[in-house]
Amino acid sequence: DVKVTQSSRYLVKRTGEKVFLECVQDMDHENMFWYRQDPGLGLRLIYFSYDVKMKEKGDIPEGYSVSREKKERFSLILESASTNQTSMYLCASSLDMNKQFFGPGTRLTVL
Amino acid sequence: GESVGLHLPTLSVQEGDNSIINCAYSNSASDYFIWYKQESGKGPQFIIDIRSNMDKRQGQRVTVLLNKTVKHLSLQIAATQPGDSAVYFCAEIPSGGSYIPTFGRGTSLIVHP
Repeated sequence: DVKVTQSSRYLVKRTGEKVFLECVQDMDHENMFWYRQDPGLGLRLIYFSYDVKMKEKGDIPEGYSVSREKKERFSLILESASTNQTSMYLCASSLDMNKQFFGPGTRLTVL
Repeated sequence: GESVGLHLPTLSVQEGDNSIINCAYSNSASDYFIWYKQESGKGPQFIIDIRSNMDKRQGQRVTVLLNKTVKHLSLQIAATQPGDSAVYFCAEIPSGGSYIPTFGRGTSLIVHP
């Protein structure tokens, strides 16, 4: 089975802090994704990457950046966290741009 | 079924009943569809998928039905168990282009023992 792991299950940060969310997959997938999930809004795509050092903006990239230095690792960066970035963050990977495998999620609270 | 709004639609069933969860999708060019299950505090988990050239696909205790005429997808769970309690949501993936899925907002299934 594909395993997608995220560095933290719960995270509490203060406004203005720089936040790193890490995601690692163990199945050599080319494609990796970062979503945020909010009540009533479903999954919204922040950024995705289809290869090392490649990145594409999703629907809501503002306030976020990403890094993909190695195939198995995709990092989401909040340069200066704000309270409206409090959310559940989900990482996913896929081999063929179809079936995505998700990590357990990181629940981020920004105070 | 799924709908716009802050509150998830909820389906309550008794253990042992069959459950049907519905999803209306928007893009007639969508080529591939997936159902995910998300338990509380966990990430979404793949359940079953179907391609647009099929109208039915069966898995273990689950069946997905696709009606392209009315752009409707359903997930049927046979003999629903308490462990099936979760949020279920569909995803549609368009043919061509970026292949980025569009996710529905989900239906909360509650199974009463």
